[in-house]
Amino acid sequence: GEDVEQSLFLSVREGDSSVINCTYTDSSSTYLYWYKQEPGAGLQLLTYIFSNMDMKQDQRLTVLLNKKDKHLSLRIADTQTGDSAIYFCAEWVSGAGSYQLTFGKGTKLSVIP
Amino acid sequence: KAGVTQTPRYLIKTRGQQVTLSCSPISGHRSVSWYQQTPGQGLQFLFEYFSETQRNKGNFPGRFSGRQFSNSRSEMNVSTLELGDSALYLCASTEDSAYEQYFGPGTRLTVT
Repeated sequence: GEDVEQSLFLSVREGDSSVINCTYTDSSSTYLYWYKQEPGAGLQLLTYIFSNMDMKQDQRLTVLLNKKDKHLSLRIADTQTGDSAIYFCAEWVSGAGSYQLTFGKGTKLSVIP
Repeated sequence: KAGVTQTPRYLIKTRGQQVTLSCSPISGHRSVSWYQQTPGQGLQFLFEYFSETQRNKGNFPGRFSGRQFSNSRSEMNVSTLELGDSALYLCASTEDSAYEQYFGPGTRLTVT
C-alpha cells in the first residue's frame, strides 16, 4: 500500500536554510511532489521530481531523492517569513488503470524573524 | 490562464442535508480530481473525472458522488451529511496524462 510520512513541525530562523523530509513506501511511485499550503488557501504546486532523478533545483528550492531509501527532501535556501506554511509531500502512484496522488500529513514550517 | 475556481468558498449545512460543490478547471484541462482535507485524516482522494467519466475512485462511501460536464466543469455531491463530513474540499485539474495537478482554493464545508 501507499503511505507517505513527514515530520509535523519545523522551525527555522529567517535567512537560514530549511530542510523538510519525507519518506514514502510505494516503490512504483513515478513522480514525487512538494506542495505548499498557506492558511485558508488551496495547495500550490512548488516542484516535482521524476523517480529516475536524484536532484532537481529551482531557484531557492532543491529537491533530493534517495530512491533506495525512499526518502525525499525539500531544501529552501534563505528562508523568508513568507515561506511560513504547511508543506506537503505527495507521491503519484499508478497501476491497473488507476492512479492518484497520495499525500503526507504535512510539515508546518515556522520562520522566526 | 485563470486558475482553478471553486464555488462556493464556504458552506454551512445541517446533518441529513445534501450539498453540491462546483469546480471549474483551468482552460484546456480535461481531468478534475477531488480531495477531502481534514485535520485528522489529512488529504484524501475522493475521485477523478475525465471526459465526463469517473476514471478513478478513492475509498469513500456512496454518499459522495460527482459528475463532469462537457465543458470539463465538475460537481461533487454529498448526501445525508454527517458531522464528520466537515472539511475543506479541494479540486485539482490537470491535462490528460500530465502529472502536474493544480489545485483550487477549496470549499470549506461545516456540518452542524
